[in-house]
Formats: sequence, structure tokens, C-alpha cells
Amino acid sequence: AQSVTQLGSHVSVSEGALVLLRCNYSSSVPPYLFWYVQYPNQGLQLLLKYTSAATLVKGINGFEAEFKKSETSFHLTKPSAHMSDAAEYFCAVSDPGSGGGADGLTFGKGTHLIIQP
Amino acid sequence: EADIYQTPRYLVIGTGKKITLECSQTMGHDKMYWYQQDPGMELHLIHYSYGVNSTEKGDLSSESTVSRIRTEHFPLTLESARPSHTSQYLCASSGGSGGPFGELFFGEGSRLTVL
Repeated sequence: AQSVTQLGSHVSVSEGALVLLRCNYSSSVPPYLFWYVQYPNQGLQLLLKYTSAATLVKGINGFEAEFKKSETSFHLTKPSAHMSDAAEYFCAVSDPGSGGGADGLTFGKGTHLIIQP
Repeated sequence: EADIYQTPRYLVIGTGKKITLECSQTMGHDKMYWYQQDPGMELHLIHYSYGVNSTEKGDLSSESTVSRIRTEHFPLTLESARPSHTSQYLCASSGGSGGPFGELFFGEGSRLTVL
């Protein structure tokens, strides 16, 4: 069974400061990992994904994440926060042996990112 | 921009009413999904479909039902709504090698309140 833990249901940073959103996973096999973002009153959209290629993954809007197998982590970072980054961020893990399809995808509870002016 | 649409966006109804949440996508995706989302909780998959006439229940038990008569359409129905059904319902789709190895495209959600 796989699971995802997102540390901190709310994270507040100042505009221009570093953004760090934490995600730890547990999986019996090397997983695929994803970050999705949900802006207010909208659905989720994919920020970036790790599928066993490069461990440092770059996504949209200046975000990136690093897969660290030894720490079972996939933390999301952005060097300089913008007001427009205020949103809910979800980490998700998939077991590649699940046969594909979202029935093998497990989401974390989400982290609400607040940007202080 | 994703071409997946959900209606209604917001719905307030009384207990015992029958409701249908509509979901349509114009991307030709074969896979479609319904998630339930509550504040501060992870998304839970309640139904999915890998193609026409194919539907499966997800990891969260739900009293809702779904149908997939056309590729582009994946409606969710509650025969008799109860206050415990109050939630946000998100529809998603993926195509080709999509799913967890690719990308899920989400609609904007339908927020249901049952009084």
C-alpha cells in the first residue's frame, strides 16, 4: 500500500521568499510522484511529475521538486514567491505496477500556501 | 487549457432529491474519473471508467452511480441526496498513456450542499 504525507496544512511565506512544501511518501516499489495545484474555485492542474528519470524535476510557474529516495521525499520548491502562487498544493504518489489509471493514484491532504505581501 | 466541463458549479438541494452532476470532455480521452474533495482532506476516488460501458468503484465507498454511454460524457447521479453527501465533486480525464504515468485533467468542480 502507498501513502502520502504533506507536512503542514498551511504554509505562509512573504512575497519574494523561498517556498518549500514538504511531501513524504511510502511505497513498496519505486513510485511515480506528482504535484498538482488548485487555485480558488478551480480544479487541479499538474505542476510537475517524477517518473524515474532525472531526480530534479522542473515544472510550470518556476516550481521544481527533487526526488530523494533515501529520505522518501519529494518536496516542492520555488526560489521567490509571487502573490499569484497562493493556492492549494497536492502531492500524489502512484505505484507503477498498479496497471495505470487513477485507481492507482493516492493524493495527500493538501497544503494551503499563503503569500504575505 | 483543459477542455473538461462540469455542471452545475454550485447546487443547493433538499434531502431526498435526485441529482445528476454532469461532466463532459472534448479531448477524446478514454479514461474518466470522479473524485470527492472535502476541506483539509485528501481527494478520494469514488468512480472511474476506462471507456464506453466500463465503470468501476473507487477506493471510497459512495452511494452515487455513474454511467459511460458516450466517450465524452461521464455523469454522476445521486438517487436520494442526504446531508452527508455535501461535498465538492471533481471530474477528471486522461488519455493515451495518461493516468498516473501522464496527466489528469480536472474540471472546475461541482459543489453540492444538501440541506
